[in-house]
Amino acid sequence: DAGVIQSPRHEVTEMGQEVTLRCKPISGHNSLFWYRQTMMRGLELLIYFNNNVPIDDSGMPEDRFSAKMPNASFSTLKIQPSEPRDSAVYFCASSTGRGTEAFFGQGTRLTVV
Amino acid sequence: AQTVTQSQPEMSVQEAETVTLSCTYDTSENNYYLFWYKQPPSRQMILVIRQEAYKQQNATENRFSVNFQKAAKSFSLKISDSQLGDTAMYFCAFMKHGGGSEKLVFGKGTKLTVNP
Repeated sequence: DAGVIQSPRHEVTEMGQEVTLRCKPISGHNSLFWYRQTMMRGLELLIYFNNNVPIDDSGMPEDRFSAKMPNASFSTLKIQPSEPRDSAVYFCASSTGRGTEAFFGQGTRLTVV
Repeated sequence: AQTVTQSQPEMSVQEAETVTLSCTYDTSENNYYLFWYKQPPSRQMILVIRQEAYKQQNATENRFSVNFQKAAKSFSLKISDSQLGDTAMYFCAFMKHGGGSEKLVFGKGTKLTVNP
């Protein structure tokens, strides 16, 4: 398996634009996590899916952020409209659950100017 | 809600020496899992070691070992014979067991520098 695949690797956008980050989890994994990493706040869990269903979205910062998992092999994190304070590295991770290791993608570095 | 605290933002150690990174967590759960992840400058998150709370024996992986103190809610990582390649951010993480809510929560990390 190629591991967790995220796209794009880098994204630069202007304030107010819509941004969509994409994630393909490892086949057979039924848990999927979206994280945001910044120097100030570390690794923040934004949302967690289990079997394509959002279980906990308490970490989503505000209504500008939304996440979907339409099927077991694809998830998106959307920011609309984007703001400079959204600049961060966004990670997607997947696992089989039951306390097993979560495998991370390479992350998307988002810069909002 | 579970929280994970890493009280050492930065640490340094000489090559070949031993270093211990601290982690404490807060939970009312009895069954859970604990992890240490490493993030080198490449940004990739790599699992270092995993501990199941119901196991009293401390996990070890080659030069990496943990000191798991369940009553104290402490989970420290010891790196023996430190190598230059160990330079990275280290994150402690907590996952509740079962119940369909196995979200993985991280501490803020410790930046470790191994000096030659």
